[in-house]
Order: sequence, then structure tokens, then C-alpha cells
Amino acid sequence: EIVMTQSPATLSVSPGERATLSCRASQSVSSNLAWYQQKPGQAPRLLIYGASTRATGIPARFSGSGSGTEFTLTISSLQSEDFAVYYCQQYNNWPPQTFGQGTKVEIK
Amino acid sequence: EVQLVQSGAEVKKPGESLKISCKGSGYSFTSYWIGWVRQMPGKGLEWMGIIYPGDSDTRYSPSFQGQVTISADKSISTAYLQWSSLKASDTAMYYCARHYGAGYYMDVWGKGTTVTVSS
Repeated sequence: EIVMTQSPATLSVSPGERATLSCRASQSVSSNLAWYQQKPGQAPRLLIYGASTRATGIPARFSGSGSGTEFTLTISSLQSEDFAVYYCQQYNNWPPQTFGQGTKVEIK
Repeated sequence: EVQLVQSGAEVKKPGESLKISCKGSGYSFTSYWIGWVRQMPGKGLEWMGIIYPGDSDTRYSPSFQGQVTISADKSISTAYLQWSSLKASDTAMYYCARHYGAGYYMDVWGKGTTVTVSS
């Protein structure tokens, strides 16, 4: 099973600032990595797939990069609606597909 | 509009059985894998397993193999997650989601079904 590790666990950022979230895989997942956003009381929402492709309707301030074992999600200028928990997920080797433990982006 | 509509919240006692559902609409239900994800209270996302409604090919996470059963009825575009004997530790939110392509990322999610198991 591939283990996904996200850092940091919590990121405190002021509105308008840049946020950088990291995700590491225990072995290569190529570019088969997705990022999801989850707000309290809501289902997760797909943000990024293929490590760097924005899903339909996702604003350009969200960008993903990386391949192999190291990945990054960047939010270029945080808006109030972006404060949420973010998960990475690998779908390269399954079952099982695996998620990271999440990074909570909170208001500083 | 592509959507997955999940059944309502459930409150059960330990040892009882349960089957929750996920109905797809707005797309060809038999052409996409459907996955199930558990989220225990205050915790992260756990991938449980996946089914291809076209032929009912089903795969499980080792963590959930033998603990739950995933099934589908393609005639009514509905996937199911069931337990034969619930435990308190099954208390969680359960999401179904459509996997794009050959079981890739999850592009459409249901709103979730809350399952509470308590004596």
C-alpha cells in the first residue's frame, strides 16, 4: 500500500497571501495524483488531477505540480472561501487508492 | 447534470445490518467506476473500495475486505454499501464518488450518508 504524507498538518495564512501544501508518496505514483478540498459539513471537491490539471470550474489561483513522489498544491492568493482542509490522493496503484491525512488551511 | 444522490442518515444498534445507497444520474452509470470513502468523526478520508456497475467487478481496500460488501444494480443506476453486523466503530460519514476513466480520480461526489451505531 502506498502511504501518502501531507505537510504541514495546519497552515495559518492571511487572506491574499500564498499557501503552499506538500504531499509525499512512499513510492512513485507517476502523475496519478489528485487534490481535493473539503469544507466543514460538505463532501470533498476535486481541485486538481494528473498532478497539475485543474478540474472544471476551479479558479486559476489553484495550481498543482510535481511527479513521482513529491507534489505541491499552491494557492496563489488565498480568498476567504479557500479556508478548508485539503487532501492529496494517489490513484496509480490500487487497490487501495490512498489519501494523505490532510492539511487544514486556517485564517492567520 | 451529473449527480450522485445518497440515501439518508441511519441510526443503528451494534449487530444490526445496514445497506446504504448511491444513485447516479446524468451520465452512463455503467461506464464509470463508483467508489466508497469513509470519514470517521473529525478524521480524514479512507478509500474503501470500488465497483464497475457495467459488470459488477469489485475491488476492496485490504482494510475493508470482509468488513463490508459493495454491490450495484445497473437497472436502477444504484450502488450500495452494506454491513451484515455493525459495530460502534462503523460510525462515520460515508461518501460515494464517481471515478473518472479506468478508476482514476473521483470527479463527482455524493453528499454523504451519516451512519451512527450506538446501543
